[in-house]
Amino acid sequence: EAGVTQSPTHLIKTRGQQVTLRCSPISGHTSVYWYQQALGLGLQFLLWYDEGEERNRGNFPPRFSGRQFPNYSSELNVNALELEDSALYLCASSISDLDRETQYFGPGTRLLVL
Amino acid sequence: AQSVTQLGSHVSVSEGALVLLRCNYSSSVPPYLFWYVQYPNQGLQLLLKYTSAATLVKGINGFEAEFKKSETSFHLTKPSAHMSDAAEYFCAVSRSSNTGKLIFGQGTTLQVKP
Repeated sequence: EAGVTQSPTHLIKTRGQQVTLRCSPISGHTSVYWYQQALGLGLQFLLWYDEGEERNRGNFPPRFSGRQFPNYSSELNVNALELEDSALYLCASSISDLDRETQYFGPGTRLLVL
Repeated sequence: AQSVTQLGSHVSVSEGALVLLRCNYSSSVPPYLFWYVQYPNQGLQLLLKYTSAATLVKGINGFEAEFKKSETSFHLTKPSAHMSDAAEYFCAVSRSSNTGKLIFGQGTTLQVKP
């Protein structure tokens, strides 16, 4: 069974640009989560999507947004990039019913903002 | 508010020695607890999880963890370290599936010496 997949693996952008990161969950999983792992800041919860709706949001500015598509894949968009947005962005998925709390992570997208 | 504390940002053991990585949590209600491992330049892999079924939880790669409510601890152990265990380990807590949010500790880097 394929795990969570993310694209691209690496990305270099400059300040002020916009970026879109993509995530495909494990087959059968309907929830998608996004986390930021920045150097020195640890793993921070960004967003949770379930059944196409945003269910919860972490303490991040509105320029971090996303969406979930009918096939449960998801995009994370970051506008007006700042240097401190440089981080590993991790996507996770979980099944919707009996084991919802267990999140399975993808390999991440490493974003460098210059 | 929930929090997770991992005691020791770096732990060094000899190959074949006992591995003990410490995790304490604060939660007002019985939590869901997880250990994840992150190898260099990779995402997070689920090692094991506690969801109130049994206090001693066995995971992959010979790891196990014991939930001790009285001590609010969920320490990770492995009887005999292998070189391939060298990685960063994260303890995480979720109070329920209603927030979608995992709260992570700061991580412990395990070094295994030959």
